[in-house]
Parts: sequence; structure tokens; C-alpha cells
Amino acid sequence: DQQVKQNSPSLSVQEGRISILNCDYTNSMFDYFLWYKKYPAEGPTFLISISSIKDKNEDGRFTVFLNKSAKHLSLHIVPSQPGDSAVYFCAASKETSYDKVIFGPGTSLSVIP
Amino acid sequence: EAGVVQSPRYKIIEKKQPVAFWCNPISGHNTLYWYRQNLGQGPELLIRYENEEAVDDSQLPKDRFSAERLKGVDSTLKIQPAELGDSAVYLCASSLHLQTQYFGPGTRLLVL
Repeated sequence: DQQVKQNSPSLSVQEGRISILNCDYTNSMFDYFLWYKKYPAEGPTFLISISSIKDKNEDGRFTVFLNKSAKHLSLHIVPSQPGDSAVYFCAASKETSYDKVIFGPGTSLSVIP
Repeated sequence: EAGVVQSPRYKIIEKKQPVAFWCNPISGHNTLYWYRQNLGQGPELLIRYENEEAVDDSQLPKDRFSAERLKGVDSTLKIQPAELGDSAVYLCASSLHLQTQYFGPGTRLLVL
């Protein structure tokens, strides 16, 4: 049973446009959410996070939105750049065990020049 | 500052053979994780160490997998004997307690 879902395996966006990556979760106990980015032949790298007490967190071109009632979060990248082409993993954890992070299957983003 | 180091980067073995992966975490990071990532999926936790103690190994298939973290620094993950289904990328990560995890590049294992 997948607790963190990313229903779009891939996404293509034109350079300069907005990229929106979606994530849904099933466990209402999750209260901390993260996005990781992964280039080929490298390990995932932390991108941005959000706590359940917030509904938005912004860091430069990256913004994460959280809708707790819908158990949904999204990552917005504006403007998208070719270097953003990577696999993006959504992840979640519980306050009682922040070290136990559950990852989604990932969405492969291609930014077309 | 050096990141998480893993070796080897790639390994090809025949089924029933043993294999071992090594991880050197970021200096000062007391928490170390081993993950397995199958094709098209996200990383799945196998085992987590706090210093030299395995505090979560509930997802580690203990009949064939073993891990150790002597002296609370480097760690080794072993599979014996390997099966075809063990083909995956094995990722090591480290963190300070309850902080962001930093991943190594992974070891890509192919079992023939």
C-alpha cells in the first residue's frame, strides 16, 4: 500500500514556463513533507520542505503548497530551466519519527529549451 | 566538505553469490540509513543506525541481508546469497539527529 503517491511518472515543460509536480498521501499522521531532486547516477538531494502548520513554503524559484484536507501537496518551479530536468521525489514523515521518511515513486521532469 | 561516499558504484554478480556495499557518511553525522531503490520507485528504507545501534531494521530481509556500523562511522551492507530480485540501487544516507538526510551516489547492483 503506497502511502505517498505521485501519479504522473513524467512531465515535459517548456523552458521559462511553470512546472507543477503533484503528490498525494494517504496517512493523515504525516505532518512533515519534503521534495528531493535526483539526477542520473547521483543520489537524491534535498530541495525544499514544509511542515503541516503551513500551507506554503517558498525558496527562490521553488514553492511547495500543502492542502491538508485533500492530503495533497505540489511543487511549483517558476521559471523552469533546463537544469531542472531530473526526477523529483515527494516524501513524508511523522513528527514522532522524522527520521523515517516515506518516498513516493518520483516524477521525471524534462524542461525543453 | 566531502559528501556521503559509497563504493563500489556498480556491481555485477551471479545469483547465489555474496556482495557487500560500503558507506562513509558525512563527518559528524550520527544517523546513517541504507535504502534500496527499485527501478521506477522511490527509495525504501532498509535499516537506520543511531551511532552504532540499529534502531530500525524492520524492513531488512534478515534471512539474507545483514548490516553493521562498527564504531558508529562507516557502515557495510551485505547480501548473502544474492537473488535476481535484489537487483536495485542501494543508497546510503546520513544526517544529524532528526535533520535533513544527505544521500550518497548509490551502488547499482545487477544480479544475473
